[in-house]
Amino acid sequence: AAGVIQSPRHLIKEKRETATLKCYPIPRHDTVYWYQQGPGQDPQFLISFYEKMQSDKGSIPDRFSAQQFSDYHSELNMSSLELGDSALYFCASSSRGRLPDNEQFFGPGTRLTVL
Amino acid sequence: GIQVEQSPPDLILQEGANSTLRCNFSDSVNNLQWFHQNPWGQLINLFYIPSGTKQNGRLSATTVATERYSLLYISSSQTTDSGVYFCAVEGVRKTSYDKVIFGPGTSLSVIP
Repeated sequence: AAGVIQSPRHLIKEKRETATLKCYPIPRHDTVYWYQQGPGQDPQFLISFYEKMQSDKGSIPDRFSAQQFSDYHSELNMSSLELGDSALYFCASSSRGRLPDNEQFFGPGTRLTVL
Repeated sequence: GIQVEQSPPDLILQEGANSTLRCNFSDSVNNLQWFHQNPWGQLINLFYIPSGTKQNGRLSATTVATERYSLLYISSSQTTDSGVYFCAVEGVRKTSYDKVIFGPGTSLSVIP
């Protein structure tokens, strides 16, 4: 079965640079979520989109922005990168509008290292 | 916001042993999921279980929503079960910051 696809899988950036992470949800899933997981920590919810509209916002810094496109893929844009942004970034998708439950399925993650 | 606790924080098992992991949450939840994060960082869905009991092979889970806890049972543990087990909940009374809350995880090491 198709899973959530994230690219790139690894990314190395310098401080103050920008980065764009991409997420391709499971086909026919209408909701995308972004999470950040620092070393030794649990994943923290950043932001979610339902049917291409922002639906919930968590602990996403103002330097970050995200959107969901007409084909339902999503991009997380990160600017003025800081050392503390080094983390594993997960995308998850679910079929919130079509199924009674809202089980989230996670992608493999993008490991971002800021030097 | 909703608080999620997991116990024990760390667990070392001999291969073949059984274990029970617990997740407590402070408020009513719409959704509850158990995940296994393997040593390579992948988050693998184990159970979607806002209430009731489910089984999948050597794993089973029970959520008692009225008492605000969930249990994950691992039987006949194998070395490939090693990793961190997370419980994640979506609260009923949620603010934007409570969309989905992960517990701190239980780190499991299964030794041969």
